[in-house]
Amino acid sequence: QLQLQESGPGLVKPSETLSLTCNVSGGSITSSSYYWAWIRQPPGKGLEWVGSISYGENTYYNPSLRSRISISADTSKNRFSLKVMSVTAADTAVYYCARHHTTLAGRYFGLWGRGTLVTVSS
Amino acid sequence: QTVVTQEPSVSVSPGGTVTLTCGLRSGSVSTSYHPSWYQQTPGQAPRTLMYNTNTRSSGVPDRFSGSILGNKAALTITGAQADDESDYYCVLYMGSGISVFGGGTTLTVL
Repeated sequence: QLQLQESGPGLVKPSETLSLTCNVSGGSITSSSYYWAWIRQPPGKGLEWVGSISYGENTYYNPSLRSRISISADTSKNRFSLKVMSVTAADTAVYYCARHHTTLAGRYFGLWGRGTLVTVSS
Repeated sequence: QTVVTQEPSVSVSPGGTVTLTCGLRSGSVSTSYHPSWYQQTPGQAPRTLMYNTNTRSSGVPDRFSGSILGNKAALTITGAQADDESDYYCVLYMGSGISVFGGGTTLTVL
């Protein structure tokens, strides 16, 4: 059974870089059928797709965040990571990682981690 | 900036039928946008309900159905139950690897 688990600091100072990792167990991130995604949700607000990375390590980013984010994968450790640079309070959110199905049979987020709250505050 | 629209809040009586919609501020939603739907209760991660317009995710009861209604994607709940009271989000695939969430609909069962 594939599982995803987010990890990283729960508190980041303004202007610094937020770094999160999603550890994937029970399956490999090198499957060509899936991308691997980050999605976030500010407190009391809706969900926002942040970006995704493919098996070939092609990356796809939310245009509104593209200038500040980076997603990478470490296939040797079966995990992928998110960096958000120059954070502000607006980046405070629960961050979810998810398996992103990307075939003609469907493009959707099929499996989610539990999420981790990151607060940006001095 | 693509905007995906959803009703902010909808209510339904227990046992009733309700339809939530997912549209575009500009344009019509078709199956080529691969509409998907997610259910979220407070404090929990989202749960995938529907993908590719009308394919139910594993374990989702058949009282949930998806379709295209007019120029929008739709999620219909037939025979609403108290535990259907949740936030519901749709996602549209815009091409070039870009996905966009709708603002979400809060469903009240009363």
